[in-house]
Amino acid sequence: GQNIDQPTEMTATEGAIVQINCTYQTSGFNGLFWYQQHAGEAPTFLSYNVLDGLEEKGRFSSFLSRSKGYSYLLLKELQMKDSASYLCAVREGASGYALNFGKGTSLLVTP
Amino acid sequence: SAVISQKPSRDICQRGTSLTIQCQVDSQVTMMFWYRQQPGQSLTLIATANQGSEATYESGFVIDKFPISRPNLTFSTLTVSNMSPEDSSIYLCSGARSQQETQYFGPGTRLLVL
Repeated sequence: GQNIDQPTEMTATEGAIVQINCTYQTSGFNGLFWYQQHAGEAPTFLSYNVLDGLEEKGRFSSFLSRSKGYSYLLLKELQMKDSASYLCAVREGASGYALNFGKGTSLLVTP
Repeated sequence: SAVISQKPSRDICQRGTSLTIQCQVDSQVTMMFWYRQQPGQSLTLIATANQGSEATYESGFVIDKFPISRPNLTFSTLTVSNMSPEDSSIYLCSGARSQQETQYFGPGTRLLVL
């Protein structure tokens, strides 16, 4: 089984940088995913880490430390449209490669 | 990436009835999954849809309540049986081309049970 923790809510200012943390406990780790979900819409894939280190994709970066069971999603140059829920999900090979999701972090970007 | 569609997009159903949700992928995918997202909550895995064999259900979900079909590599259905108001939720399917690839989600089916 897994225990995935992330903050419930965060607020940041337009143009700023925000870091959303995710900690997890698992056996058979097979990758960590970040999804963005706007209200009433399906989750949209943002990033994926399976090895330690930083993955950068434009304004979004994600970091993973497998030994610490820790990841973060970094959003730069925040825009109002970044207001959404950010879901951390862990894939575990032992569970058939499905994703187990954290409860999500609701990010509010203010002017 | 895979493009996934679901039908219906939303429905309002009466208690005791059943609803079948369809999930269509635009290309063959090895893995297909069904999730539930209750209001204000994150996603919970219901089951893995296995092509040509019975689905693999997570704890708390049973085949009699959520029968799943997966006749081929691009299509799956989830039936919510004998519905009660507690089944009101968003149901999402997802697919991945292989065990190691990213899962992409359908737009979800919003179900309200009265």
